[in-house]
Amino acid sequence: DAGITQSPRHKVTETGTPVTLRCHQTENHRYMYWYRQDPGHGLRLIHYSYGVKDTDKGEVSDGYSVSRSKTEDFLLTLESATSSQTSVYFCAISTRTDPPYEQYFGPGTRLTVT
Amino acid sequence: AQSVTQPDIHITVSEGASLELRCNYSYGATPYLFWYVQSPGQGLQLLLKYFSGDTLVQGIKGFEAEFKRSQSSFNLRKPSVHWSDAAEYFCAVDISSNTGKLIFGQGTTLQVKP
Repeated sequence: DAGITQSPRHKVTETGTPVTLRCHQTENHRYMYWYRQDPGHGLRLIHYSYGVKDTDKGEVSDGYSVSRSKTEDFLLTLESATSSQTSVYFCAISTRTDPPYEQYFGPGTRLTVT
Repeated sequence: AQSVTQPDIHITVSEGASLELRCNYSYGATPYLFWYVQSPGQGLQLLLKYFSGDTLVQGIKGFEAEFKRSQSSFNLRKPSVHWSDAAEYFCAVDISSNTGKLIFGQGTTLQVKP
């Protein structure tokens, strides 16, 4: 157990509203990641962080922003949710401090945008 | 572009039978390779990984995988499947050794017949 929690676990929101998902780790791991999972697509990387205030984009970053003001928390924000962002969102951490960065996943957040 | 292909979307095997799940990747350099398993409604669990060295790697739950550079493949195997192995399996490739950015295959759903 890598000590990863995600909140909320389920959320229903309306199109156009802002949404923030939280990923929390209990240890001071440097690398954190946000993925979305959709049928037929596997998991796709949205954003990742390699330290406090250090973030970068993944392959499906449009419409998402992230912040990391503390080592233990990595926030994913949908500024104005759209129906295409209905998905299951997973946070992951890497417990390694050098490559390769094997990753461990949180339980996921199911987001529905109506 | 880098990609990961799992040719079989759905596989059904009888309990006690052997299993092989296929994974092919497209990546120019020596890859870091992973297999994850996801039970329904759960997060992803790391089964095994290949970084370097012996091309046959052992993982948890009796799984193994073989890296074949000439075929760009990393197939997952298990000699005797148990009903509890029913789940979705994902192959992933690390496309950036500096940051751990993973590309996932679409997943293979395994059904086990009694």
